[in-house]
Amino acid sequence: AQSVAQPEDQVNVAEGNPLTVKCTYSVSGNPYLFWYVQYPNRGLQFLLKYITGDNLVKGSYGFEAEFNKSQTSFHLKKPSALVSDSALYFCAVARDTGRRALTFGSGTRLQVQP
Amino acid sequence: EAGVAQSPRYKIIEKRQSVAFWCNPISGHATLYWYQQILGQGPKLLIQFQNNGVVDDSQLPKDRFSAERLKGVDSTLKIQPAKLEDSAVYLCASSLMGGGTDTQYFGPGTRLTVL
Repeated sequence: AQSVAQPEDQVNVAEGNPLTVKCTYSVSGNPYLFWYVQYPNRGLQFLLKYITGDNLVKGSYGFEAEFNKSQTSFHLKKPSALVSDSALYFCAVARDTGRRALTFGSGTRLQVQP
Repeated sequence: EAGVAQSPRYKIIEKRQSVAFWCNPISGHATLYWYQQILGQGPKLLIQFQNNGVVDDSQLPKDRFSAERLKGVDSTLKIQPAKLEDSAVYLCASSLMGGGTDTQYFGPGTRLTVL
């Protein structure tokens, strides 16, 4: 079975400071990793994904994520946070074989203070 | 490009009633997913369609939930009869082919409240 852990329910950061939202995963075989963002009363919006290749993945709105196979992690980062980045962030994993549906973490609420 | 459309956006029903949700995926996307998102949790897959065939319905409570995707485009998800624990946001998503590398694009969701 595959699983995703987002150890922090909430992350608080001041505007202009760097942010990190943590994600670890467990899956058999090669992982495909995704980050989505959810604003109030809206569906999930795709930010970025790791399939293969460069461990540093760049995505929408200045976000990036680093894949670390030895630590089974895929942390989301941004060099300078904006108040508008405040939202709920979900990490998800899919497999390359067998059942290929996404398994999501429980989400991390990011609060950026002005 | 139009996104994934869902209706209704909100629905309030009493327990033991029935309810149906509708989804129209992005044009040309072969794969359609229904997820259930309970408050404070991540989305959980209920069912995955490839064109009009079911690929994965292992987490669908089949005694009360049903879904269909006629003609391989629009889809409906039905709950009959509803229970209090079905209160959640029901998200529809679509992707081009359905492989593990595919990006899924989500609709705005239907918020169901069961009283």
